[in-house]
Amino acid sequence: DVKVTQSSRYLVKRTGEKVFLECVQDMDHENMFWYRQDPGLGLRLIYFSYDVKMKEKGDIPEGYSVSREKKERFSLILESASTNQTSMYLCASSFPFRSSVTYNEQFFGPGTRLTVL
Amino acid sequence: AQTVTQSQPEMSVQEAETVTLSCTYDTSESDYYLFWYKQPPSRQMILVIRQEAYKQQNATENRFSVNFQKAAKSFSLKISDSQLGDAAMYFCAYRMLNTDKLIFGTGTRLQVFP
Repeated sequence: DVKVTQSSRYLVKRTGEKVFLECVQDMDHENMFWYRQDPGLGLRLIYFSYDVKMKEKGDIPEGYSVSREKKERFSLILESASTNQTSMYLCASSFPFRSSVTYNEQFFGPGTRLTVL
Repeated sequence: AQTVTQSQPEMSVQEAETVTLSCTYDTSESDYYLFWYKQPPSRQMILVIRQEAYKQQNATENRFSVNFQKAAKSFSLKISDSQLGDAAMYFCAYRMLNTDKLIFGTGTRLQVFP
């Protein structure tokens, strides 16, 4: 079974703190993704990584950075947390579209509900 | 730009009945993938069903089936014999053939009543 895990289910931080959200996958996927999920807005892509040390901005990268030093691990960093970053954060992974896998579906972690006070 | 629209923020169904969740999308591509994901309360998002646009036949997975209308750009999900465990947020998603990124709709919350 594909397994995508996230370091915390719930996290409470204060405004201005540096926050690290960690994601690990065990399926040898090249691709990893960070999404933000808000009611009425669905899932919005923050950052995407297609290989170690390679990243691409998504639709809402402002206020976030990422790090991928190892294939299985993808970190989301909030440099200086703000209250408008209170949200559910979902990590996902997949094989790339150029692989022989037909649908390249994304597999999701359980999510981290972050509250910034 | 491609967009995915789920016009029903909430739906409800009685146990054992059938419910259909709607999804429309906008694209100029001729081939692409479509997905329905399920997110149960406080649990992991999982893939329910998927369809490639060039395949005419509607995908089916047990009690879950889709009605794919390519010309109308519609991809609805039908859940037959609804069960309490079907209660969840359902997201429709689109992916172009030569890209890794998914575009999600805003989701439909499905309640199942006994």
